[in-house]
Amino acid sequence: EAQVTQNPRYLITVTGKKLTVTCSQNMNHEYMSWYRQDPGLGLRQIYYSMNVEVTDKGDVPEGYKVSRKEKRNFPLILESPSPNQTSLYFCASSSTGSGANVLTFGAGSRLTVL
Amino acid sequence: GENVEQHPSTLSVQEGDSAVIKCTYSDSASNYFPWYKQELGKRPQLIIDIRSNVGEKKDQRIAVTLNKTAKHFSLHITETQPEDSAVYFCAATNSNSGYALNFGKGTSLLVTP
Repeated sequence: EAQVTQNPRYLITVTGKKLTVTCSQNMNHEYMSWYRQDPGLGLRQIYYSMNVEVTDKGDVPEGYKVSRKEKRNFPLILESPSPNQTSLYFCASSSTGSGANVLTFGAGSRLTVL
Repeated sequence: GENVEQHPSTLSVQEGDSAVIKCTYSDSASNYFPWYKQELGKRPQLIIDIRSNVGEKKDQRIAVTLNKTAKHFSLHITETQPEDSAVYFCAATNSNSGYALNFGKGTSLLVTP
């Protein structure tokens, strides 16, 4: 089944404890992206990647890092999480090297930072 | 970068009525405009999209219209049903130079029986 898989789905952590949210897609998609969803703010793009080793900042990249060493994986790294990073995170992928095609979203990862 | 404004933020209609959600964008070079539906507790899913070379696109009860001159596009849902209740997001991007897909803040649609 074609899908985008995120882990963990739920996580409660404490301020400053590094964490990684993994994202993997099995559709050979070139484009991958991370969004955070907060009430009243919609979906805001954190980082995106057009292909392996090519990443760029979205609208809210502060406090996050990403890497794209393999086509299928696009992990989101929070080096020193803070409470304002408490949010619902979505990974998404698309078949073209741009955002101008159908995005397939993962199920979401709900992160709470205490 | 592209700025997408979406209105209204909440919309309540009776079953069978029509619903219209409007979005405006700032970058005149934007040429791709998708709409995503997110049911409660689920992931966003594409319901319809339109590219700048057409002014309207329909898919059963759903239609999207695009006015490039005014830089706005709208989602129209006819004969609404309770299962249409969800949050709807519009988005815009320029496929030629932009790899960022910028979303509006969403419209929470409630269809009451």
